[in-house]
Amino acid sequence: EVQLLDSGGGLVQPGGSLRLSCAASGFTFSNYAMTWVRQAPGKGLEWVSAISGSARSIYYADSVKGRFTISRDNSKNTVYLQMNSLRGDDTAVYFCAKNWREGIAVYDNWGQGALVTVSS
Amino acid sequence: VLTQSPGTLSLSPGERATLSCRASQIITTISLGWYQQKPGQAPRLLIYGASNRATGIPDRFSGSGSGTDFTLSISRLEPEDFAVYYCQWFGKSSVSFGQGTRLEIK
Repeated sequence: EVQLLDSGGGLVQPGGSLRLSCAASGFTFSNYAMTWVRQAPGKGLEWVSAISGSARSIYYADSVKGRFTISRDNSKNTVYLQMNSLRGDDTAVYFCAKNWREGIAVYDNWGQGALVTVSS
Repeated sequence: VLTQSPGTLSLSPGERATLSCRASQIITTISLGWYQQKPGQAPRLLIYGASNRATGIPDRFSGSGSGTDFTLSISRLEPEDFAVYYCQWFGKSSVSFGQGTRLEIK
């Protein structure tokens, strides 16, 4: 059974940093691209970043480019999202998601989400 | 950009639901998916490639469309189907979601 466990959320001041983790199990992690999607309170889904299975290809939404860094450790079956220079509009639940297959960016498994609150 | 309509759809159990997703430019069918999200939960993949049901999705859910206009249909609404539905497009280096359609009990 595929499982994705998001962690690392919390309260951070504007301008601060936070690192999210997503621990995966139940599939061959290195074979799949992974993605972060966020959802601000009461709002819709927003794609944030994606990383290929090998980590050779990385993509970011314009809203986080230059501030967020996605990475993965295939030996630990974990994907990370390092978030720097956080702003109030980064407040959201952050979900990690597994791509259905390489080259097909629909998401067949999701973590439970990690709440990030940016506030002074 | 994906635009979903209506914003809210009020129907009764047993009725048929039709949700629309319109793209601002022509997209390939393989790049279009649909998700269901219930309060406090992560989204669940329903449809990939515009018309293919994901694993475990009941056959009352169906997707159709091509070009710029796509549809998610639910043939006979069950109580558990009342939720928010999102369409999603992916390109080579970016992804976008529609703003969602809330399906509520009438």
